[in-house]
Amino acid sequence: KNEVEQSPQNLTAQEGEFITINCSYSVGISALHWLQQHPGGGIVSLFMLSSGKKKHGRLIATINIQEKHSSLHITASHPRDSAVYICAAQGGSEKLVFGKGTKLTVNP
Amino acid sequence: DARVTQTPRHKVTEMGQEVTMRCQPILGHNTVFWYRQTMMQGLELLAYFRNRAPLDDSGMPKDRFSAEMPDATLATLKIQPSEPRDSAVYFCASGLGIDRGNGNQPQHFGDGTRLSIL
Repeated sequence: KNEVEQSPQNLTAQEGEFITINCSYSVGISALHWLQQHPGGGIVSLFMLSSGKKKHGRLIATINIQEKHSSLHITASHPRDSAVYICAAQGGSEKLVFGKGTKLTVNP
Repeated sequence: DARVTQTPRHKVTEMGQEVTMRCQPILGHNTVFWYRQTMMQGLELLAYFRNRAPLDDSGMPKDRFSAEMPDATLATLKIQPSEPRDSAVYFCASGLGIDRGNGNQPQHFGDGTRLSIL
C-alpha cells in the first residue's frame, strides 16, 4: 500500500465546475505538497502546507493533520486547469513521498 | 523567473550505452534532487544533495547509476550501462535546505529528461 493515496485517479469536469481532489497519507509529516504537472510534462509547485488552508487565485488547499488528509479545490474550473495534480508528503527531512496523481480534464 | 535547467530534454539510445543527464539548479539553492517518473511507479526520489554532498541515494540502483555535483551549478546523473527498464522521465529539482533555518521550502522542478532505452 502506497504511503500516499490520491482520489480520484481520473476526473472529468465541465468548465465552471467546482473540483475537489483528495490526498490521504499514512506517515507523520512536516509538510504536504501539491504539485501540478502540465500536459507538456513540466512540474510546478502549487502549495506547501502544514496546517489549515492556503489559497492562490482559484486554487485552495486544506489539510487536516489529525485525519492525515488534504484536499485541493479548484473553483470555477477552466480548460487550462487540465493537468495531473500530485500530492506529496514530506517527513522530517526534505524527502518527498508522492501519490500517483489525479488526471483532471476540464471540458469547455 | 529563475528556473532549473535540464539537458537533454529527450534522449534515445541503445541498451548498454552510457547516458548522462545534466541539471543546472537555481542560483543560490543548496539542495538538489533527482527523481524518476514512470507510468507504473509515478515519481520516485533517486538521490539528493546538500551543498554538493550526497545526503541520500537509497533510491538509486548503485550498480549502474551514479550522481554527482562537480560544482554548485551542475548536477549530473549517469547510467552505465543503460537498460530498457531505465526508460522514464528524469526530473531534477532544487531548493533551499531546511538546515538554513528556513523551515520547509518548496522544490523547483526542471522540465525533465525523457529517456528511451531501446
